[in-house]
Amino acid sequence: NAGVTQTPKFRILKIGQSMTLQCTQDMNHNYMYWYRQDPGMGLKLIYYSVGAGITDKGEVPNGYNVSRSTTEDFPLRLELAAPSQTSVYFCASTRLAGAITDTQYFGPGTRLTVL
Amino acid sequence: GNSVTQMEGPVTLSEEAFLTINCTYTATGYPSLFWYVQYPGEGLQLLLKATKADDKGSNKGFEATYRKETTSFHLEKGSVQVSDSAVYFCALSDPSNFGNEKLTFGTGTRLTIIP
Repeated sequence: NAGVTQTPKFRILKIGQSMTLQCTQDMNHNYMYWYRQDPGMGLKLIYYSVGAGITDKGEVPNGYNVSRSTTEDFPLRLELAAPSQTSVYFCASTRLAGAITDTQYFGPGTRLTVL
Repeated sequence: GNSVTQMEGPVTLSEEAFLTINCTYTATGYPSLFWYVQYPGEGLQLLLKATKADDKGSNKGFEATYRKETTSFHLEKGSVQVSDSAVYFCALSDPSNFGNEKLTFGTGTRLTIIP
């Protein structure tokens, strides 16, 4: 059972380049999340999804896009990378158990540097 | 809005010392409270949680009690081990998003235990 996997682990981008951060979970969770963690700061929610085909903005969505075509995958797209997007990105997932969501499970993170 | 304030690190202790990491929160409703731990090179994982006032969460020798009167959720362990070296995050769930557990995180506290 792999849990939540993220690729790549590290990436360096030039300003204006684009890339997609991949996130996959094998737990059949319906909820998925993308967070970013800046140095010395807590995690901030970028986007989240409550199921395939449904996404919504979190606290800091500008400069990012997401899609959720399957239950397992929730990729995060950066279209025009900027230095302000230098951060560590975490994907997480959880299930809805009745009316209450369960514990969030996190991936190992992607460290992104934009130069 | 909601916020979580955590004790600043880094914290360095000797093995078998007593540990306290302070966490206080601000929330408009009645949040659930969490401690997550991040070991080197890994994603965040849930350490313990409490869902209502006066609840005590516990796991792996760690404890935290949900104190509504002081809006606190301090993490404690009686005798730390080298293997407890990690970054610890306090978090709360957004009580206004019933059925969608969006988390608000503190900045994290890096703990190092020396033999």
